[in-house]
Amino acid sequence: QKEVEQDPGPLSVPEGAIVSLNCTYSNSAFQYFMWYRQYSRKGPELLMYTYSSGNKEDGRFTAQVDKSSKYISLFIRDSQPSDSATYLCAMNARNTPLVFGKGTRLSVIA
Amino acid sequence: GAVVSQHPSRVICKSGTSVKIECRSLDFQATTMFWYRQFPKKSLMLMATSNEGSKATYEQGVEKDKFLINHASLTLSTLTVTSAHPEDSSFYICSAKSPSSYNEQFFGPGTRLTVL
Repeated sequence: QKEVEQDPGPLSVPEGAIVSLNCTYSNSAFQYFMWYRQYSRKGPELLMYTYSSGNKEDGRFTAQVDKSSKYISLFIRDSQPSDSATYLCAMNARNTPLVFGKGTRLSVIA
Repeated sequence: GAVVSQHPSRVICKSGTSVKIECRSLDFQATTMFWYRQFPKKSLMLMATSNEGSKATYEQGVEKDKFLINHASLTLSTLTVTSAHPEDSSFYICSAKSPSSYNEQFFGPGTRLTVL
């Protein structure tokens, strides 16, 4: 079993839809959870950063972490064509390298 | 804040030559920088962790004599791909830890290397 599993998609949704992106993981030591957005041929951009379990909201984005289920989610409300990108989850334990998911390719169709 | 730059953004070189890629933290001092490699439609693979003033720590399977990393200052780390071959063609991305947040990493825009 890989440390971090993420469905690569592609995921295609109409503009305005709510998007749900998810990752599961196996290492119970992970405490820090991140979502990055990566446009084609660009570096990843940090979207959300969460420590331990709980929810975090920033504008149209909501990150959820359920450590008991080893499951994290990113919700995008009122999705826009400009949200079309690859979304990578990443996580780690203290003082250890980040472990990335494979990324989910999202297309928001106008 | 927390901006990381890379130079060059794209480089094409002949097989056998060496290529240097620079990674700079523009508005913060980064004691730790990371170098990743990404193949098309694949996730990021950590190559090495670079700490200012000390030797880089390489991940298993990464040749340290082939991928030379120098972290000479708190704002600059360099990756040199020595004697490049076509199989080294890839997207190389650096990241830096922001001291203002315990664990966040901020990524550079990446460098696309093509070895002919």
